[in-house]
Amino acid sequence: DAGITQSPRYKITETGRQVTLMCHQTWSHSYMFWYRQDLGHGLRLIYYSAAADITDKGEVPDGYVVSRSKTENFPLTLESATRSQTSVYFCASSEQGFSQFFGPGTRLTVL
Amino acid sequence: AQTVTQSQPEMSVQEAETVTLSCTYDTSESDYYLFWYKQPPSRQMILVIRQEAYKQQNATENRFSVNFQKAAKSFSLKISDSQLGDAAMYFCAYRSPNSGYALNFGKGTSLLVTP
Repeated sequence: DAGITQSPRYKITETGRQVTLMCHQTWSHSYMFWYRQDLGHGLRLIYYSAAADITDKGEVPDGYVVSRSKTENFPLTLESATRSQTSVYFCASSEQGFSQFFGPGTRLTVL
Repeated sequence: AQTVTQSQPEMSVQEAETVTLSCTYDTSESDYYLFWYKQPPSRQMILVIRQEAYKQQNATENRFSVNFQKAAKSFSLKISDSQLGDAAMYFCAYRSPNSGYALNFGKGTSLLVTP
């Protein structure tokens, strides 16, 4: 499928477990982003990547790890999930200087 | 970090009428982009319109237009001839070239469209 996809779309996990959210884009965009959306906060940037093997922190990076070994993939890992990480997670991509396009989101619940 | 403020948590408009959503931002940069995104109940983030700060002309996309006041740091979205399908959450966003092109979002305005 063309575009940007996220998996899983829904995930329920328990406190302390490791969780990985996947993001895949078919446009070969250089830039990729992870945001979380919480009520009352809009979307906040977790991490972003300017190219393969280049990543940087955003506004709320604590508790998250990212990697980008291939241009098209940008997985987000919660190493030890906490209840405060219950949220909707969006992946996005763009080419330098152009608009961002978003994936459909992943709703994560941490019990 | 740049602050984006949407002062209207909720707005309501009747079908076929016009509504304006407000957005202000705080920045010391001169080169940046501003965006409006729509998020319907499906949760998908959809780009509505974008404005380059160096352009004086206000952007327009069909029924959607913006009023960009750079000196006042204001970026409002006008929706003309409102339709039921316009009901959604609308987010204003700022993009700086100095932060990896990441977006800084406001908290959103929920738009209700009544028949």
